[in-house]
Amino acid sequence: TQLLEQSPQFLSIQEGENLTVYCNSSSVFSSLQWYRQEPGEGPVLLVTVVTGGEVKKLKRLTFQFGDARKDSSLHITAAQPGDTGLYLCAGASSGGSNYKLTFGKGTLLTVNP
Amino acid sequence: AAGVIQSPRHLIKEKRETATLKCYPIPRHDTVYWYQQGPGQDPQFLISFYEKMQSDKGSIPDRFSAQQFSDYHSELNMSSLELGDSALYFCASTPQMASGPNEQFFGPGTRLTVL
Repeated sequence: TQLLEQSPQFLSIQEGENLTVYCNSSSVFSSLQWYRQEPGEGPVLLVTVVTGGEVKKLKRLTFQFGDARKDSSLHITAAQPGDTGLYLCAGASSGGSNYKLTFGKGTLLTVNP
Repeated sequence: AAGVIQSPRHLIKEKRETATLKCYPIPRHDTVYWYQQGPGQDPQFLISFYEKMQSDKGSIPDRFSAQQFSDYHSELNMSSLELGDSALYFCASTPQMASGPNEQFFGPGTRLTVL
């Protein structure tokens, strides 16, 4: 069974601070996806990283995939209250003709004004 | 842009009843995934379909079944409902590519409450 360990589980910071969320596994994934989820809503895809060592930027968010494709990080610069939400990493593994996702437990981020 | 549609959004059932959840994927997406998310939990993969055939199976109870129809929409059928089945059920869709993992786009979910 492939597992994704996500840390920290909870994070409460002040507006303007920087933060990093980590997603680690002992397994290799074909790709890793980061989602943000609001309470009672479906996860919204932020980014997909595929290549080991890949770095992708989405405005103030920087995503990195580890060289061995077993870990990833999400860095947010100058966090804003609108960044508040549950951040989930999910690893894609092949299940025949398509790829199911294994999710981490999530990081609940609260950015205080 | 069109998104994944799920219906109903909320459903309340009694124990031992049955429920049917529907998922309409994004147009031109032919692969559908079902996930279950319990309170405070991460989504758990249940089952997936590609071109109307089951392609992978996760932690789906035997009391549940699912299928994908010719228009690519999918239905999750749940029988003999138990209190522990109360959860958010998400459907995700993805276009089938020649190779490589695809990005999954999630619907808003169906909140099932079993009383």
